[in-house]
Amino acid sequence: DTGVSQNPRHKITKRGQNVTFRCDPISEHNRLYWYRQTLGQGPEFLTYFQNEAQLEKSRLLSDRFSAERPKGSFSTLEIQRTEQGDSAMYLCASSTRGRVRRQKDTQYFGPGTRLTVL
Amino acid sequence: AQTVTQSQPEMSVQEAETVTLSCTYDTSESDYYLFWYKQPPSRQMILVIRQEAYKQQNATENRFSVNFQKAAKSFSLKISDSQLGDAAMYFCAYRNTGNQFYFGTGTSLTVIP
Repeated sequence: DTGVSQNPRHKITKRGQNVTFRCDPISEHNRLYWYRQTLGQGPEFLTYFQNEAQLEKSRLLSDRFSAERPKGSFSTLEIQRTEQGDSAMYLCASSTRGRVRRQKDTQYFGPGTRLTVL
Repeated sequence: AQTVTQSQPEMSVQEAETVTLSCTYDTSESDYYLFWYKQPPSRQMILVIRQEAYKQQNATENRFSVNFQKAAKSFSLKISDSQLGDAAMYFCAYRNTGNQFYFGTGTSLTVIP
């Protein structure tokens, strides 16, 4: 396994359209996180899954945003009726409570999906 | 609520010299993790170093070390023998007991040849 992957890497859409992003975490990582990062800022937490359960959801996440992790493996993040303010990099990260100390509770990030809303 | 503050938007260091990046955080918890992540231009974020709050010993990873001052809620990163490849945006991050991560606004590090 080579790490967290995200697809697509880039997405350009028109305002009002729906978009869906996919994240494939590192195998056997039971925790998965979604973040949004705008230029010059640090990642902002959006939501967090442990296995298939969505345990935390930021107040930043409007009703237009929904995330799923149906089988506890990959996850999707959907944005409905996109707005120009949604333009950002969407990052996915995964972590584990495994036994390897250096990996335990450490997030590994994917390359991100850059969304541009015209 | 937890907040992470990086007060240095930009820093520069001469190649082979040492630089320290500052980070402070605010929390009422006693058990947490702290991290430094590196994000090179147009590349993905990678972990530099991590520190468990219950450990008094400062973490080190080769040329990278931290100065963790729990009472002061300070977590600075020291990069020794700076290399051109160290140039990147550096983010300080805090993880609470609920597994939520909070990131600072970042410090852009330039390494001067």
